[in-house]
Amino acid sequence: AQSVTQLGSHVSVSEGALVLLRCNYSSSVPPYLFWYVQYPNQGLQLLLKYTTGATLVKGINGFEAEFKKSETSFHLTKPSAHMSDAAEYFCGIYNQGGKLIFGQGTELSVKP
Amino acid sequence: NAGVTQTPKFQVLKTGQSMTLQCAQDMNHEYMSWYRQDPGMGLRLIHYSVGAGITDQGEVPNGYNVSRSTTEDFPLRLLSAAPSQTSVYFCASRLTGSSSTDTQYFGPGTRLTVL
Repeated sequence: AQSVTQLGSHVSVSEGALVLLRCNYSSSVPPYLFWYVQYPNQGLQLLLKYTTGATLVKGINGFEAEFKKSETSFHLTKPSAHMSDAAEYFCGIYNQGGKLIFGQGTELSVKP
Repeated sequence: NAGVTQTPKFQVLKTGQSMTLQCAQDMNHEYMSWYRQDPGMGLRLIHYSVGAGITDQGEVPNGYNVSRSTTEDFPLRLLSAAPSQTSVYFCASRLTGSSSTDTQYFGPGTRLTVL
């Protein structure tokens, strides 16, 4: 069965610092992987996704993620954090039934 | 396009009351689903539908009913509300097809409190 695990429920960085949010997956078939962002009191917005092809995926707002099969990881990064990046981030994977399974979420705080 | 819309935004119920959370999409997506979001648990799938007239259970279906009479609408019914159903509910619709276009779009959510 497919699943994802997000490491760290809370991550705090200073404005301008590197953002690294960790996601590891488990899948017996080539995975479809996603990152979504949820700003306070809003719905989820797609940041980026990996299906096939290039393993470095660029998304919106300067975020990117790299699919590493050998490490079963799909970590989300941004070179320089901005105050507006403060939100909750969810990693997700499609299971074999086509259902989107989410990790527990990581809340990102950005300090001035 | 309005995308995925949900009503109401907020709702307070008493234990035992019933209600329907509305969800509509104007993107002609066949696949729609309902999730609940609880602190520390991410989003969990309640029910989903792959097209009009077809529904199936997700991870946490107990206490909820759904129907899909049209492509656009996918209401979620709470038959007899319980405090354990206090949560934020999200509806989503999905554009299926090629891997490059397969994406789920989420509504703004309904915040439900059951007293």
